[in-house]
Amino acid sequence: AQKITQTQPGMFVQEKEAVTLDCTYDTSDQSYGLFWYKQPSSGEMIFLIYQGSYDEQNATEGRYSLNFQKARKSANLVISASQLGDSAMYFCAMREVRGISGSARQLTFGSGTQLTVLP
Amino acid sequence: DAGVIQSPRHEVTEMGQEVTLRCKPISGHNSLFWYRQTMMRGLELLIYFNNNVPIDDSGMPEDRFSAKMPNASFSTLKIQPSEPRDSAVYFCASSPRETGGGTDTQYFGPGTRLTVL
Repeated sequence: AQKITQTQPGMFVQEKEAVTLDCTYDTSDQSYGLFWYKQPSSGEMIFLIYQGSYDEQNATEGRYSLNFQKARKSANLVISASQLGDSAMYFCAMREVRGISGSARQLTFGSGTQLTVLP
Repeated sequence: DAGVIQSPRHEVTEMGQEVTLRCKPISGHNSLFWYRQTMMRGLELLIYFNNNVPIDDSGMPEDRFSAKMPNASFSTLKIQPSEPRDSAVYFCASSPRETGGGTDTQYFGPGTRLTVL
């Protein structure tokens, strides 16, 4: 089974409107982290926002917020007041906590959602 | 502060040639990751290092691929001999030491776009 599922290959949103990008995950760990990255057409991977599994409040970073529903294992990204520059591929990723203490754990990425903001 | 630096940004080579990709992580980060991105397979972890030591190389496709991290500020990913199916974007990422309560966020370099003819 896939660990990270992004069911929306493509999304369109009108400029200045809000949009939600879906992400569901699968893990048996109690401690894990969820990340969203943005990949514009230029190709770089830009970190947007992080949510820890024990965080009680949803993460927010400027116009980005993460709608974290632990029981449903979902971590949707909400972008408010969309801008033309938000057009990009968006990846959801999960870091599970395993291995020896102090070592970094790998990220598992979803397949991505291509967001297009319309003028 | 400088981000993760990768070179070259683009590489075009012929099948059978050796290819070396380079990465300089963010200063002070102690973990380094190599990923490969293709349309068919998305983003895949190839190998990661912690304190210059390879921790997990299970994602390395085959023996033609090798990675080294001789010191905390430099890593290489080598493909020898290269094949057309190795064409992809190769990303290097680094993250700081996990403190238990930290984000352990990985910061990516700009990537190297490799084309093997």
